[in-house]
Amino acid sequence: EAGVAQSPRYKIIEKRQSVAFWCNPISGHATLYWYQQILGQGPKLLIQFQNNGVVDDSQLPKDRFSAERLKGVDSTLKIQPAKLEDSAVYLCASSYAGPSYNEQFFGPGTRLTVL
Amino acid sequence: AQTVTQSQPEMSVQEAETVTLSCTYDTSESDYYLFWYKQPPSRQMILVIRQEAYKQQNATENRFSVNFQKAAKSFSLKISDSQLGDAAMYFCAYRRAGSNTGKLIFGQGTTLQVKP
Repeated sequence: EAGVAQSPRYKIIEKRQSVAFWCNPISGHATLYWYQQILGQGPKLLIQFQNNGVVDDSQLPKDRFSAERLKGVDSTLKIQPAKLEDSAVYLCASSYAGPSYNEQFFGPGTRLTVL
Repeated sequence: AQTVTQSQPEMSVQEAETVTLSCTYDTSESDYYLFWYKQPPSRQMILVIRQEAYKQQNATENRFSVNFQKAAKSFSLKISDSQLGDAAMYFCAYRRAGSNTGKLIFGQGTTLQVKP
């Protein structure tokens, strides 16, 4: 079974530029998560989708971050414009849907450096 | 709001020895899950072990076991017979139960070094 795929693996941009990250979850997983992991810290949830609907985006900085999951499969996270403090690893995870426990499987992440 | 605290930024252990990583959490919920995740330098997060709060029995997975103290809100991870491949960052995480939100709340992480 293929795991969660993310691209690109690394991205370097200058502040005020735009950037987009892509995630393809495990086949059949209805729930998709984007986490932000700043160096030296644990990941923090940015947004959770169930199919193509948003379940939780309470910690997403909506003035500059946006995310979509149009067909309920892969997802894109965008930052526009980027700030220095956005330098982090962006992790995508997926799981089966539902309120009961379902393990989250993580992708390898995209490391963003904002100069 | 729920919080997770890992007070040991770094730990080291000799190969084949046992090490314990500490984690405390704060919540007003009675039903939840607790996890330990491993993040090797390649950065792909892997689930090591999970504990359901309603279960009194401590979870075990091969060389990994937990000491879950619900009243004290403590959740430590014991790694027995440590191997070089255990070297990684370990994160303790919390998740509410019985909700559509699968949000994991992570601690700051503990870097484990395994010495040959």
